[in-house]
Amino acid sequence: GAVVSQHPSWVICKSGTSVKIECRSLDFQATTMFWYRQFPKQSLMLMATSNEGSKATYEQGVEKDKFLINHASLTLSTLTVTSAHPEDSSFYICSAEVRTRALNEQFFGPGTRLTVL
Amino acid sequence: QKEVEQDPGPLSVPEGAIVSLNCTYSNSAFQYFMWYRQYSRKGPELLMYTYSSGNKEDGRFTAQVDKSSKYISLFIRDSQPSDSATYLCAIGDGSRLTFGEGTQLTVNP
Repeated sequence: GAVVSQHPSWVICKSGTSVKIECRSLDFQATTMFWYRQFPKQSLMLMATSNEGSKATYEQGVEKDKFLINHASLTLSTLTVTSAHPEDSSFYICSAEVRTRALNEQFFGPGTRLTVL
Repeated sequence: QKEVEQDPGPLSVPEGAIVSLNCTYSNSAFQYFMWYRQYSRKGPELLMYTYSSGNKEDGRFTAQVDKSSKYISLFIRDSQPSDSATYLCAIGDGSRLTFGEGTQLTVNP
């Protein structure tokens, strides 16, 4: 199956700093990638949809100036959490979409655990 | 009201048991129905998907959809300790997926 990687797998940072998370599709090209956030014992909440070469589409309630998304190539999307605060601590997961005749399937990365002190 | 609601569990069963996981949804426009499995600190992986009402089998797993009741289920037969994970239903509309809260399953040897 298609493989998606994320880097870093975990990061600890001080409040007020910015953190960049990378999402790569390793063996396929993805026009569309998605960013999710998952709090402990809760489900994945879609933050934004990232399309290569265009601006990301953010879900209601997600601050686009705080969560900067760049999808500069067909294999890489980045999420930058700017001026991070403890309430931003969460598990961030990306996915890359593969479209077939049968299905638009999302392949998920392993996630990045962010802890803001 | 949440668009997708899932029985939260947690669920603990003995090895060999039949497991039933359930979700309901509210939006009739949803087009396809998926079940993902997520191990601790990992991303979800797709188990099964279906578009229509009825049953779909894949080995020990059966996905069931009832569009008239807006109800989906995943059945696991002969459950194994390796099935211990969190199971997430996800319902799709175009490219957008809406996930249930997940049910944590533990299969005890």
